[in-house]
Amino acid sequence: DGGITQSPKYLFRKEGQNVTLSCEQNLNHDAMYWYRQDPGQGLRLIYYSQIVNDFQKGDIAEGYSVSREKKESFPLTVTSAQKNPTAFYLCASRDLDRGLYGYTFGSGTRLTVV
Amino acid sequence: GNSVTQMEGPVTLSEEAFLTINCTYTATGYPSLFWYVQYPGEGLQLLLKATKADDKGSNKGFEATYRKETTSFHLEKGSVQVSDSAVYFCALISNQAGTALIFGKGTTLSVSS
Repeated sequence: DGGITQSPKYLFRKEGQNVTLSCEQNLNHDAMYWYRQDPGQGLRLIYYSQIVNDFQKGDIAEGYSVSREKKESFPLTVTSAQKNPTAFYLCASRDLDRGLYGYTFGSGTRLTVV
Repeated sequence: GNSVTQMEGPVTLSEEAFLTINCTYTATGYPSLFWYVQYPGEGLQLLLKATKADDKGSNKGFEATYRKETTSFHLEKGSVQVSDSAVYFCALISNQAGTALIFGKGTTLSVSS
């Protein structure tokens, strides 16, 4: 079955370290997205990519970086410059040929800085 | 810019009660509107959607009508169940190219038996 896989489900990081969250999809979707979820804040867009080797900043890109070397993969790196990285991170993908819908979400990664 | 405002929670109801979660939006053009649901510890699932004015989205007993005149997309269910306890997000996406889903802050629903 097609879908989006985020790994790991739980991740612990020491302060000052970079960490990379994985997001892989086998849906052949063109666009991929990273959102951050905090209690009471809803979901905020970090980065998105509509084609390979191209990506755009979302509303809260500072302290994060991404790459899109393959259509299936859109890893997110949380750098030491991100001041408050503890959050729930959700990856999503979308088939642009389906118009304004067709989003699929992964099950998320909970990152905790210790 | 585009934005979504939904009622703050938590919303606490007894089983079989009527549910309304208010959602209003600000957007240029003609956005598509969505309700997503998130169960504890999981990602988001699409609950229902509407792509043009006066469309009614429905699924699992939930309904929402796209009201352009009031820029609203309120979620309703006639009789909630304990299994409906979750966080509900209203969202929109603009018909402009290159845009992503924009979410409200979410409303937590807790249903007790």
